[in-house]
Amino acid sequence: AQSVTQLGSHVSVSEGALVLLRCNYSSSVPPYLFWYVQYPNQGLQLLLKYTSAATLVKGINGFEAEFKKSETSFHLTKPSAHMSDAAEYFCAVTPGPYNQGGKLIFGQGTELSVKP
Amino acid sequence: DTGVSQNPRHKITKRGQNVTFRCDPISEHNRLYWYRQTLGQGPEFLTYFQNEAQLEKSRLLSDRFSAERPKGSFSTLEIQRTEQGDSAMYLCASSAPTGGRMNTEAFFGQGTRLTVV
Repeated sequence: AQSVTQLGSHVSVSEGALVLLRCNYSSSVPPYLFWYVQYPNQGLQLLLKYTSAATLVKGINGFEAEFKKSETSFHLTKPSAHMSDAAEYFCAVTPGPYNQGGKLIFGQGTELSVKP
Repeated sequence: DTGVSQNPRHKITKRGQNVTFRCDPISEHNRLYWYRQTLGQGPEFLTYFQNEAQLEKSRLLSDRFSAERPKGSFSTLEIQRTEQGDSAMYLCASSAPTGGRMNTEAFFGQGTRLTVV
C-alpha cells in the first residue's frame, strides 16, 4: 500500500526566501511521485513529477524536488518565494511503473503563505 | 484542447435530494477519475474508468454514489439521498497513454463544490 505524509500543514515564508515543503512516502513498489498546486476554489495543477528517471526534478514556476529513496522523501523547494506562490500544495504517489497515472494517493496538503 | 471541464461549478442542495455532476475529459483521454476533497484535506480517490468500463471503486463510494461513462467520453457522478457529510469538492481528472510510453500525468478539472443544507 502507498501513503504520503506532508510535514507541516502551514508554512509561512517571506518573499524572496527559500521555500521548503516536506513530503515522505511509503510504497511497496517503486513509486511515481508528484507535486500539485491548488489555488482557492480551483482544481489541481501539476508542478512536477518523478517517474524513475533523474532524481532531481525541475518543474514549473521555478520549483524543483529531489527523490531520495534512502529517506523515502520527495521534498519540494524553490530558491526564492514570490507572492504568487501562496497556495495549497499536495504531494501524491502512485505505484509505478505499470500504473498509467491518475489514481493518486495524496497527502493532506501544506498551505504556503508568503509575507511581503 | 480546453482541458477537463466540470459542471456545475457549484451546487447547493437540500439533504435527501439527488444530485448529478458531469465531467468532460480531455478528448481522447481513455482514463477518467473521480476524487472527493473535503475542507483542509487532500483529494481522495473514488473511482476510475478506462473507456466505458469502471475498473475500480473505493470503499469511500457508498451505495448512494454511482458513476457512469456510457460512451467512454463524458462521465456523470450521481449522489442519491444526499447527506450533510457529502458536502465536498468533487474533482474529475483524465489521463491517456502517450505514444508507446506509460502516461504519468492526470489533468484535473476545476471541480464541483457541493453544499448539502
